[in-house]
Amino acid sequence: EDKVVQSPLSLVVHEGDTVTLNCSYEVTNFRSLLWYKQEKKAPTFLFMLTSSGIEKKSGRLSSILDKKELSSILNITATQTGDSAIYLCAVPPGTASKLTFGTGTRLQVTL
Amino acid sequence: NAGVTQTPKFQVLKTGQSMTLQCAQDMNHNSMYWYRQDPGMGLRLIYYSASEGTTDKGEVPNGYNVSRLNKREFSLRLESAAPSQTSVYFCASSERASGAGHFGPGTRLTVT
Repeated sequence: EDKVVQSPLSLVVHEGDTVTLNCSYEVTNFRSLLWYKQEKKAPTFLFMLTSSGIEKKSGRLSSILDKKELSSILNITATQTGDSAIYLCAVPPGTASKLTFGTGTRLQVTL
Repeated sequence: NAGVTQTPKFQVLKTGQSMTLQCAQDMNHNSMYWYRQDPGMGLRLIYYSASEGTTDKGEVPNGYNVSRLNKREFSLRLESAAPSQTSVYFCASSERASGAGHFGPGTRLTVT
């Protein structure tokens, strides 16, 4: 059975800290891994990582795919209160036309 | 360009009532999805439509039906609502199957 596991489940940090969120997966025929940020409402897309694009960066956020370890990390440097959200990782399993989501990491950034 | 829209935003049903959640996208995407999100469970796929004219079950399809009315619209029907279906429902679309999804704003459904 395909699985996506995220850790930690929740995290509280102070503004300015750097955080690392983890996502591990077990899927047949890996194609890509996606990261989303969910604040109060719908998830919004952050990054997609593939075999040909294992590292992505956007401002203070960056993500790396480790195909050997079947995992990915999402780094956020110099965190701000606006980074408080649930961060979701998702992988399309096998040849299926859908995404399997992890349960998410709830990040809270305090002043 | 509205992206993905969902109606209604909120709904309260009594056990046994039926209702249809509507979803539409204006991005000319081929694939559309219905998810439910419950505390501690993450997003779970109910049904999806990889392309117009096709629908497939996801992880938690029991108690639901879907219709891909055309390329733009994908509706989710609860025939006989149960308290276990209390959840937040998200519709999403993507240009190609398993691509990065654009999510609608969600429907918060309570079944009493």
